[in-house]
Amino acid sequence: QLQLQESGPGLVKPSETLSLTCTVSGGSISSSSYYWGCIRQPPGKGLEWIGSIYYSGSTYYNPSLKSRVTISVDTSKNQFSLKLSSVTAADTAVYYCARQESLPDAFDIWGQGTMVTVSS
Amino acid sequence: SSELTQDPAVSVALGQTVRITCQGDSLRSYYASWYQQKPGQAPVLVIYGENNRPSGIPDRFSGSSSGNTASLTITGAQAEDEADYYCNSRDSSDNHWVFGGGTKLTVL
Repeated sequence: QLQLQESGPGLVKPSETLSLTCTVSGGSISSSSYYWGCIRQPPGKGLEWIGSIYYSGSTYYNPSLKSRVTISVDTSKNQFSLKLSSVTAADTAVYYCARQESLPDAFDIWGQGTMVTVSS
Repeated sequence: SSELTQDPAVSVALGQTVRITCQGDSLRSYYASWYQQKPGQAPVLVIYGENNRPSGIPDRFSGSSSGNTASLTITGAQAEDEADYYCNSRDSSDNHWVFGGGTKLTVL
């Protein structure tokens, strides 16, 4: 069955760029039926949608993060990637990748998540 | 952008029925989806659309919607249902999505 796996550095320095890669296995990222989403969860807090991408490259970002977020897709590697620039301690969180159905909307398959800490 | 409001905490006696609600203007136009999250685990989709359960989700979980309020109902709550529950919906600006603040469910 389809699985998602997040990968990236667990520690990022303030003001630098957080980079995360989500690898899709057991299915194609190029399916026209799905978006691919990034969600985060600060320690002890709730879920926050960061953004989503369609296999064609169309992107949708949380307005509160839009100036710092870039999500891209590499269909040849069956991966999509998140970059978050100018990070601060407030960006410390578990970052999740998820497959996203559209209308009806649902994040139906999630990766296990990866903890990213912003600290010098 | 829209917001989704959930009660921070709800409790239910073992075997009883509990309703968890989610309020927001976008729910007048879009269905909510619901996620269960246990400590240290990734969220799991439990309800989406009008009232759809993914494979493997027990039928004691159901969803409904009226006006600006979506509800997740657990009929006959079990000890293993103790978790945080989050609603999610498309924002009224269309291609944005928002999560509610989450509800911590305690099964007594």
